[in-house]
Amino acid sequence: QVQLQESGPGLAKPSETLSLTCTLSGGSINNYYWSWIRQPPGKGLEWIGYISYSGDSIYNPSLRRRATISLDTSKNQFSLRLSSVTAADTAVYYCARTYTGASDIWGQGTLVTVSS
Amino acid sequence: DIQMTQSPSSVSASVGDTVTITCRASQGANRWLAWYQQKPGKAPKLLIYQASSLQSGVPSRFSGSGSGTDFTLTISSLQPEDSATYYCQQASGLPYTFGQGTKLEIK
Repeated sequence: QVQLQESGPGLAKPSETLSLTCTLSGGSINNYYWSWIRQPPGKGLEWIGYISYSGDSIYNPSLRRRATISLDTSKNQFSLRLSSVTAADTAVYYCARTYTGASDIWGQGTLVTVSS
Repeated sequence: DIQMTQSPSSVSASVGDTVTITCRASQGANRWLAWYQQKPGKAPKLLIYQASSLQSGVPSRFSGSGSGTDFTLTISSLQPEDSATYYCQQASGLPYTFGQGTKLEIK
């Protein structure tokens, strides 16, 4: 069955770059979009962006061009880099498979805390 | 951005009841609307896509309707395991946006 798993440091320092990777198992990168979504503690969901299976990416303008999503089809992975982080970027970060605008497969989520 | 407004913010109902949650878009979203269920400490789970299509494996007591700016999620014959927060999400315009969530408590 298709599964996603986020990995990466759980702590980032202010002004540094947050890096997370999502590994797909049991399925193929092809024909889907691959999203990152985050949720600050106790708050709602925010869509960060997605990358298509062909490598085209779209981002939420609210992140002011700090986000970059990349794809490694050879490893069945996609990644998120978020630069110049502040405490406001503290959140649970989810990766998800997206098709026709809806995300049907999600990773379990990983908490990233921004603190010095 | 398309703003999504859910109501109510919270609702309490009994086992066997029917609950309706509404989601209003600030501009037309056609039928590009999804509904998710999230339980504490867990990732969201897709319930409904394209406004009214039931995701595989989701019980038929969940149903969605609407188009344009007004959408509803209806949960009939409530079960204890339906206690969760529910979110709508539009995919008509970029960036995708979510409603603020509706917390459902089972009495």
